[in-house]
Amino acid sequence: EAGVAQSPRYKIIEKRQSVAFWCNPISGHATLYWYQQILGQGPKLLIQFQNNGVVDDSQLPKDRFSAERLKGVDSTLKIQPAKLEDSAVYLCASSLYGASSYNEQFFGPGTRLTVL
Amino acid sequence: DAKTTQPNSMESNEEEPVHLPCNHSTISGTDYIHWYRQLPSQGPEYVIHGLTSNVNNRMASLAIAEDRKSSTLILHRATLRDAAVYYCTLNNAGNMLTFGGGTRLMVKP
Repeated sequence: EAGVAQSPRYKIIEKRQSVAFWCNPISGHATLYWYQQILGQGPKLLIQFQNNGVVDDSQLPKDRFSAERLKGVDSTLKIQPAKLEDSAVYLCASSLYGASSYNEQFFGPGTRLTVL
Repeated sequence: DAKTTQPNSMESNEEEPVHLPCNHSTISGTDYIHWYRQLPSQGPEYVIHGLTSNVNNRMASLAIAEDRKSSTLILHRATLRDAAVYYCTLNNAGNMLTFGGGTRLMVKP
């Protein structure tokens, strides 16, 4: 079974530029998550989708971050414009079911973003 | 959000058992305790989870205190490949994980 795919793996941009990350979850997984992991910290949830609807985006900085999951399959996360503090690893995860107390999340390898 | 507290780092010798503690004193009755680990340059991977009873799987064991305010992840025989950051997280009814800083486990040969 293929895992969660993310691209690109690495991205370097100047501040105020735009950047987009792509995620393809495990086939059949209803729920998709985007996390931000700053160096030395645990991942922080940015947004959760169930199918193509947003379940929670309370920690997404909506003035510069946006995300979509068209057709309930793959997803893109965009930052426009980027700031220095956005330098982090952006992780995508998926889980088979929606909101339930037990539901293992499968993580992709992440995209490491460096903003100069 | 319910929070977890873990030691920043721990050290173990190869082939010996490792007990990784976690405090979650504000856990609610419906929160599951999940453990994930993150190897260098990889995304986190699921290790084990539990609600009230102790749990065993092929990777580890999870011991949960009777009052559920703490738990311990047990690796029965640490190997060099177990060197990673271990996260204790609480999974609420919305299936959203809140990660703390984790414990960096170092395994000495």
